[in-house]
Amino acid sequence: EAQVTQNPRYLITVTGKKLTVTCSQNMNHEYMSWYRQDPGLGLRQIYYSMNVEVTDKGDVPEGYKVSRKEKRNFPLILESPSPNQTSLYFCASSLGDGYNEQFFGPGTRLTVL
Amino acid sequence: AQTVTQSQPEMSVQEAETVTLSCTYDTSESDYYLFWYKQPPSRQMILVIRQEAYKQQNATENRFSVNFQKAAKSFSLKISDSQLGDAAMYFCAYRSLNYGGSQGNLIFGKGTKLSVKP
Repeated sequence: EAQVTQNPRYLITVTGKKLTVTCSQNMNHEYMSWYRQDPGLGLRQIYYSMNVEVTDKGDVPEGYKVSRKEKRNFPLILESPSPNQTSLYFCASSLGDGYNEQFFGPGTRLTVL
Repeated sequence: AQTVTQSQPEMSVQEAETVTLSCTYDTSESDYYLFWYKQPPSRQMILVIRQEAYKQQNATENRFSVNFQKAAKSFSLKISDSQLGDAAMYFCAYRSLNYGGSQGNLIFGKGTKLSVKP
C-alpha cells in the first residue's frame, strides 16, 4: 500500500530534550516536506527536500533541522524543543511535478511542557 | 509571495443540500495549481480536487466541483448532496507551476470548518 508513515503519532516531552520525528514514504517520491498545523493558522511549511541531500527552509524553520540521506526517509529533528513548538506535524511527499498530489502522513501530535 | 485566504472560518449545511466554500488567492504568476484538501476528525489530509490554472474548464470529482475564476483569483468549492461524512475542515492550497526551490511548496489557507446537520 502506498503510504507516508510517521512516528511517533503522539509525543509529550519537556523543554530542551532532543527529539526526532521520523517520516518514511514507499512511493519513490523525490519531493518531501514537513508542515506544522496550528489552530487558526492552517498548515505552514517547515522544511522541504527536493531529493537526496537537497533540503531547504520553508516558512517557519526556526528550531528545526532535517536530513535526507535516503530517498524514502525525511526525519524532523528538534534539538532543543520549546513550548511554542507544541503543534500537529505532518510529513508529505509527492512526485516532482507541481500538479502531483502531495500524500500526507497521519500526523504527529507533539506537546512540549 | 503568494497568499491564500479562506474568509469563512465555519460553515454549516443541511444533509442533502449544497454548500459552497470560498477561497481567494494572491499571486503574480500566470500559471499555477490549486487544490482543496479535506481534514476529517481523524486529522488525515485528503485531496478532494485540483485545478490547473491554465485550464478553463472547472474541475469536478463526483459531488465536488470548483468554480475557478482566474481573473478574480477565486477558487470556490461546491459540495452537492452533502453527506454526514463531509463534515471536516477544508483547506484551499496553492502551488506554483514552476517547480523548484520554495516554489514547489503548498501554500495553505487557514481552513473552513464544515458541519453537516442531519
